[in-house]
Amino acid sequence: AQSVAQPEDQVNVAEGNPLTVKCTYSVSGNPYLFWYVQYPNRGLQFLLKYITGDNLVKGSYGFEAEFNKSQTSFHLKKPSALVSDSALYFCAVRDYGNNRLAFGKGNQVVVIP
Amino acid sequence: DAGITQSPRYKITETGRQVTLMCHQTWSHSYMFWYRQDLGHGLRLIYYSAAADITDKGEVPDGYVVSRSKTENFPLTLESATRSQTSVYFCASSEQTGVAKNIQYFGAGTRLSVL
Repeated sequence: AQSVAQPEDQVNVAEGNPLTVKCTYSVSGNPYLFWYVQYPNRGLQFLLKYITGDNLVKGSYGFEAEFNKSQTSFHLKKPSALVSDSALYFCAVRDYGNNRLAFGKGNQVVVIP
Repeated sequence: DAGITQSPRYKITETGRQVTLMCHQTWSHSYMFWYRQDLGHGLRLIYYSAAADITDKGEVPDGYVVSRSKTENFPLTLESATRSQTSVYFCASSEQTGVAKNIQYFGAGTRLSVL
């Protein structure tokens, strides 16, 4: 079965510093990978996805993610973090053959002013 | 309003009672999903539906029932609520084809407490 792992429970970063949220995946076949963000008391919002093509994917709110096939990773990045980026971030992988997504446990990002 | 809406937003019930959580989407998306979110577990899929009258179990289906008589609605029923079903429940939908295929759009969630 497809799965993703988010090794860190919480990431703390100073405002203005680069932000990285890590994700590794395990799939059979080509991976379809996603990042979502969840603000307090809200549903998940789509940030970006990798299906094929360029290994650097750009998404909403200045976020990007780098797909690395040899390291089976799909890390989320932002060059300069904002306090408003403080949220819960989920990595997900599509289950092959259907539209199901398997989500990681999530990373709490705290951006310190 | 367009989008995906869940009701109620908050619900308190007692052990043994039947509870139905509602989900309605206005996009005519083929796929709909129910997840529960718990600390330490992330999001876990309860049930999903590929189209009206087609449903299938997810990772944690026990104790839940779904139906999908119309494309836009996907209610989730807890037949006899237990304390372990205290959670935040999210409904989502996605297209089957097109550039947005596989992107899931989420409702705001229902916070359910079973006492």
